[in-house]
Amino acid sequence: AQSVAQPEDQVNVAEGNPLTVKCTYSVSGNPYLFWYVQYPNRGLQFLLKYITGDNLVKGSYGFEAEFNKSQTSFHLKKPSALVSDSALYFCAVRAYTGGFKTIFGAGTRLFVKA
Amino acid sequence: SAVISQKPSRDICQRGTSLTIQCQVDSQVTMMFWYRQQPGQSLTLIATANQGSEATYESGFVIDKFPISRPNLTFSTLTVSNMSPEDSSIYLCSVEPSGRANEQFFGPGTRLTVL
Repeated sequence: AQSVAQPEDQVNVAEGNPLTVKCTYSVSGNPYLFWYVQYPNRGLQFLLKYITGDNLVKGSYGFEAEFNKSQTSFHLKKPSALVSDSALYFCAVRAYTGGFKTIFGAGTRLFVKA
Repeated sequence: SAVISQKPSRDICQRGTSLTIQCQVDSQVTMMFWYRQQPGQSLTLIATANQGSEATYESGFVIDKFPISRPNLTFSTLTVSNMSPEDSSIYLCSVEPSGRANEQFFGPGTRLTVL
């Protein structure tokens, strides 16, 4: 079955420190992987995607993600966290299940402390 | 990108009534989706809204409960019928614009509370 897992419900990091939000996936075939962010009382915003090519993908707001095929992971990273990065982050995978569908992880809440 | 608006932004409804949520996009899009999200939780795909044909529903969602219209390439509605408190959730419209394959854009959501 196609699935995506975010093992951490919450990540806490101090402002200025690097942050990592973890994601692992399980799909048959080549994965299409995504990160979305949801700020309080707002809709989801697209951050970045991996389709093919370089394993390190750069996205919006200074975020990047690294695709690791052997570990089936797509962790989200940022070298220096900002308080304004505090939000709910969703990893997602595009998979074929009788039609192409986007399957979302459970989400990880990121708290960046000043 | 695509700019998506939803109406209403929120509503409080009585059990047994129905609510229709509108989704308007500022450009023509082929793919349009409806999701449900419990506050602070993940998204669950309800259905894909197909222009000119019946929507494609995911397992656990049926047309009688969640009828969907898609009269053109910029507009869709989702109705939550015969509501119960279990339907309290955030309902999100999403599109995949032509030329931005594999990127989904989301509306601001409709927060529904059923009493």
